[in-house]
Amino acid sequence: EPEVTQTPSHQVTQMGQEVILRCVPISNHLYFYWYRQILGQKVEFLVSFYNNEISEKSEIFDDQFSVERPDGSNFTLKIRSTKLEDSAMYFCASSEGLLRDTFGSGTRLTVV
Amino acid sequence: AQTVTQSQPEMSVQEAETVTLSCTYDTSESDYYLFWYKQPPSRQMILVIRQEAYKQQNATENRFSVNFQKAAKSFSLKISDSQLGDAAMYFCAYRSSNTNAGKSTFGDGTTLTVKP
Repeated sequence: EPEVTQTPSHQVTQMGQEVILRCVPISNHLYFYWYRQILGQKVEFLVSFYNNEISEKSEIFDDQFSVERPDGSNFTLKIRSTKLEDSAMYFCASSEGLLRDTFGSGTRLTVV
Repeated sequence: AQTVTQSQPEMSVQEAETVTLSCTYDTSESDYYLFWYKQPPSRQMILVIRQEAYKQQNATENRFSVNFQKAAKSFSLKISDSQLGDAAMYFCAYRSSNTNAGKSTFGDGTTLTVKP
């Protein structure tokens, strides 16, 4: 079964540094998402992306965050200046439509 | 804004028995989708079952079934013949059908323990 691939699986970064989280969605999917989950807590929506532009974003997705689909296959989430509270599991998901999202295995981001 | 509530932070079930996880949601929309996701210790989110709000028939996937009560805005998950591999955190999620690339709103999750 096709998979959504996320790299790296774990990233440790210094506070104030920029990080880029990478995702390779399933090739024929049209909709792309980033979610985050602070350890043991609920999954929070960050941003959705469709037709090469942001479709919807949450209050969490402020100016420190950006997304790109640089080459038609990768889908990246950039955090410009990381804060301690950005430490979380970040999930990428993709779908053909609205009925079935496939999630990646996540990137655990630790900000120290 | 839509909200999803899972009132049971933890549940446990004996292997081979049946357990029901509760979920309620709040929305003013008439057309939407509901999902149950499983998150095992590996942390990956796995879709268990989904329900389209316009369908009256409850969705079923093997040992997993839902009880969808649209008027009551309730969407519970029943796991029959529970297996040790069912132990995980389960999230209920809501998605509007009215937007492209609509976000999913998740509940707080229920941790399910399966006792041998």
